[in-house]
Amino acid sequence: GAVVSQHPSWVICKSGTSVKIECRSLDFQATTMFWYRQFPKQSLMLMATSNEGSKATYEQGVEKDKFLINHASLTLSTLTVTSAHPEDSSFYICSARIRHSSYNEQFFGPGTRLTVL
Amino acid sequence: DAKTTQPPSMDCAEGRAANLPCNHSTISGNEYVYWYRQIHSQGPQYIIHGLKNNETNEMASLIITEDRKSSTLILPHATLRDTAVYYCIVRLTSGTYKYIFGTGTRLKVLA
Repeated sequence: GAVVSQHPSWVICKSGTSVKIECRSLDFQATTMFWYRQFPKQSLMLMATSNEGSKATYEQGVEKDKFLINHASLTLSTLTVTSAHPEDSSFYICSARIRHSSYNEQFFGPGTRLTVL
Repeated sequence: DAKTTQPPSMDCAEGRAANLPCNHSTISGNEYVYWYRQIHSQGPQYIIHGLKNNETNEMASLIITEDRKSSTLILPHATLRDTAVYYCIVRLTSGTYKYIFGTGTRLKVLA
């Protein structure tokens, strides 16, 4: 149980286009989902916290107009990278927090590798 | 949230115990210690967590010092598949539940 999927697993796009990444909790309801970004040989950096039905909370330095997050249901959150540029190329990972769980709330997806040409 | 400090890398012989230390000297009483690992190009995988007491599960053991300022993750019989980056995270028991990842320890298990 507690499986989180991401789609697509990798994407290549041209500079200036927008890319949408989906994060789904497959067998549980997620109160909260988190989005991270990871550059090569670096740690995960939290970008934003997303609660179902409300606006996402962005970490300092993350542009909310560039990284649009929608959390329309308890099993789906999407991250849209708008007007992507080569510097946005990265590994994007989501995690989901189990509703009403008392421990280990966060389960991570497999990640989406974005390459912007 | 408290900051964690881990050695950047460690080697361990296959079949031996791997002991990964973590310093969290600014931890407060309502913060858990979590351990995750990340195998290359995958999402992090949960290993174990604890608050005050030592914990053991099928993957590992977690030893937390009495003052809670540091902890050690123990993989009792390391295998080549345990080669990964291991992250120690401290997290509030309530609130946003967000994780702030440190730099982690890159563990290499040698044949």
